[in-house]
Amino acid sequence: EVQLVESGGALVKPGGSLTLSCAASGFNFNSFSMNWVRQAPGKGLEWVSSISSSSEYIYYSDSVRGRFTISRDSAKNSLFLQMNSLRAEDTAVYYCARDNSPFSPSDFWGQGTLVTVSS
Amino acid sequence: DIQMTQSPSSLSASVGDRVTITCRASQGISTYLAWFQQMPGKAPKSLIYGASSLQSGVPSKFSGSGSGTDFTLTISGLQAEDFAIYYCQQYHSYPYTFGQGTKLEIK
Repeated sequence: EVQLVESGGALVKPGGSLTLSCAASGFNFNSFSMNWVRQAPGKGLEWVSSISSSSEYIYYSDSVRGRFTISRDSAKNSLFLQMNSLRAEDTAVYYCARDNSPFSPSDFWGQGTLVTVSS
Repeated sequence: DIQMTQSPSSLSASVGDRVTITCRASQGISTYLAWFQQMPGKAPKSLIYGASSLQSGVPSKFSGSGSGTDFTLTISGLQAEDFAIYYCQQYHSYPYTFGQGTKLEIK
């Protein structure tokens, strides 16, 4: 069974840092591109970042570029999102999602982890 | 960036109805269009990719069509479990972008 389990969400002060993790199981993690998508309270979905299976290709939204870093660890079957210089507008539930193929994005999602940025 | 615009933003329908949601891209995206369903408090679920291909396990009551800039999601024979928020997403080019969502409510 495919499983994606996010962790690391917390309450953090503006300007602070946080690292989110997404533990993958039930599939060959090393063969799939992965994504982070977030959803602010009561708002719609916002794509944040993507990383290819080999980590060769990495993309960010303009809103997080330069502050967030996506990475993956094949030995741990895990995806990460290092978030620095956090702002109130980064408050959201963060989901990790697997791309089944370049033509089938985000076919499977984790349950999400809440990040709250507030003083 | 490619802007995705869904219409309507909300829709009321009855059990058994057939509804259509529209998604328009600000520039051509071929068929690089996906649809997602999100129930309250839950993670999104992938329904359709490639504008018209059903994800595994998704019932055939869901169908998608379109190419270029105009796309539709049609849901037939609405059941209680179909009342949710639906999002389109383009994956033609980064940054990937979602529509604002369409809330399907029971009448």
